[in-house]
Amino acid sequence: EVRLVESGGGLVQPGGSLRLSCAASGFSFSSFEMNWVRQAPGKGLEWVSYISGGGKTKYYADSVRGRFTISRDNAKKSLYLQMNSLRDEDTALYFCARDLRGVEYDYWGQGTLVTVSS
Amino acid sequence: SSELTQDPAVSVALGQTVRIKCQGDSLRSHYATWYQQKPGQAPLLVIYGENSRPSGIPDRFSGSSSGDTASLTITGAQAEDEADYFCSSRGNSGNYYVFGTGTQVTVL
Repeated sequence: EVRLVESGGGLVQPGGSLRLSCAASGFSFSSFEMNWVRQAPGKGLEWVSYISGGGKTKYYADSVRGRFTISRDNAKKSLYLQMNSLRDEDTALYFCARDLRGVEYDYWGQGTLVTVSS
Repeated sequence: SSELTQDPAVSVALGQTVRIKCQGDSLRSHYATWYQQKPGQAPLLVIYGENSRPSGIPDRFSGSSSGDTASLTITGAQAEDEADYFCSSRGNSGNYYVFGTGTQVTVL
C-alpha cells in the first residue's frame, strides 16, 4: 500500500524557518517524481515545488522561489521542504504528492499544518 | 494568481448531470487533470490525460477538452460527489504546474 506521511509543521514567527518531511512507503520511491502542494485555510490548492526522481531537477512556484528548497533522500524514502524567511501568507496545510507521468498526482499525504504568526 | 479559472460553485440535482469548466491558455497545449477534495481530506485524482480514470473512480466521471477549456462531467451525480473539484495542468509562464481556482459542487 502506498503511503505518504508528512511531518514537521507547526507555529513559527514571520522570518523564521521550518523543515517539512514526507515519509514514503509501499512503492519504489526513487522511481517517482515528487511535489509539495499547499492549501491555505479555506482556500484552493497551490503547487509549491517539484523534484525529479534522482533529485537533480527542481522547480519552484514564483511565490516561494529563493526561500524554499526541495530535496529528497532516496535511501531513506523521504522528501523534504526547507522553508526559510517565512511569511504570513505561507500559512497553509502542506501536502506531499507522488507524481505520475509529470502531470498527475496519484497519491497524496494527509498534510502537515504550517502557521506563520507573531 | 491562478492561470486556470473555474466557476466558484455549481449545484446539481441528485441523478442529474453537471459539467465543471476550467479555462486557461495552458490547456491549449496540455491536458487538464482533475481532483476531487472533500472537507478534511487530501485531494483525490479523478481524471487524467485525454479522459482516463484511476482505478476505483466511477465511470460517471469523464473529462473533455476544447481549445482553452477543459471540462469534468459527472453523469448521474450522487450525494457522495458533493465536494470541491480542482483542475490542473502544466503552467505556461514561470510556474511548472498550476491548479485551477476550484469549484464547489453541491448535490441537491
